[in-house]
Amino acid sequence: DAKTTQPPSMDCAEGRAANLPCNHSTISGNEYVYWYRQIHSQGPQYIIHGLKNNETNEMASLIITEDRKSSTLILPHATLRDTAVYYCIVRPAKAAGNKLTFGGGTRVLVKP
Amino acid sequence: DGGITQSPKYLFRKEGQNVTLSCEQNLNHDAMYWYRQDPGQGLRLIYYSQIVNDFQKGDIAEGYSVSREKKESFPLTVTSAQKNPTAFYLCASSNPGTLSYEQYFGPGTRLTVT
Repeated sequence: DAKTTQPPSMDCAEGRAANLPCNHSTISGNEYVYWYRQIHSQGPQYIIHGLKNNETNEMASLIITEDRKSSTLILPHATLRDTAVYYCIVRPAKAAGNKLTFGGGTRVLVKP
Repeated sequence: DGGITQSPKYLFRKEGQNVTLSCEQNLNHDAMYWYRQDPGQGLRLIYYSQIVNDFQKGDIAEGYSVSREKKESFPLTVTSAQKNPTAFYLCASSNPGTLSYEQYFGPGTRLTVT
């Protein structure tokens, strides 16, 4: 699986958009970008995934650059409940065993 | 409600004892996983199972054992051979037949061995 690089931490003001970057310069053509988040002492929660087109759901938007070497997760109106560690994961759609490889993630603190 | 149940939430054991962590899902998912998380770290895969009566080692399987006798259950045993068993253990499941291949996680069991 391709390796991802994320900033270790970032702060965001409540009500503002939070833009979380992820670099995946060695991504292969068949690999998807997945985002999960983990609120303190809970299990991770799936947010969104994409291959090359931008994606949006009720939780967030995912912007993938044209060369697919980086992506940005956008939380449009951050709330205090969005404080969590956000993981960017790159893997093939049909990886053996459907495994996920979690790196260190970005610790996001939403401040009032 | 559909989901994954892990019990107990907190577990304390003495060193040298085996301990079994429970994981049950009612999502009708074929695949199930066990991860370990140490403080401030990401998740590491211990074991996974794609189908009943079959499972594979993940990245850190030493000192752990699993069974998959039923589709809905995937218990993890932490044996006395695991040198640093104190950690947060997370169980997950997924349905490889879906397009997104997302994994659903349980609430976790925090194991402390002294």
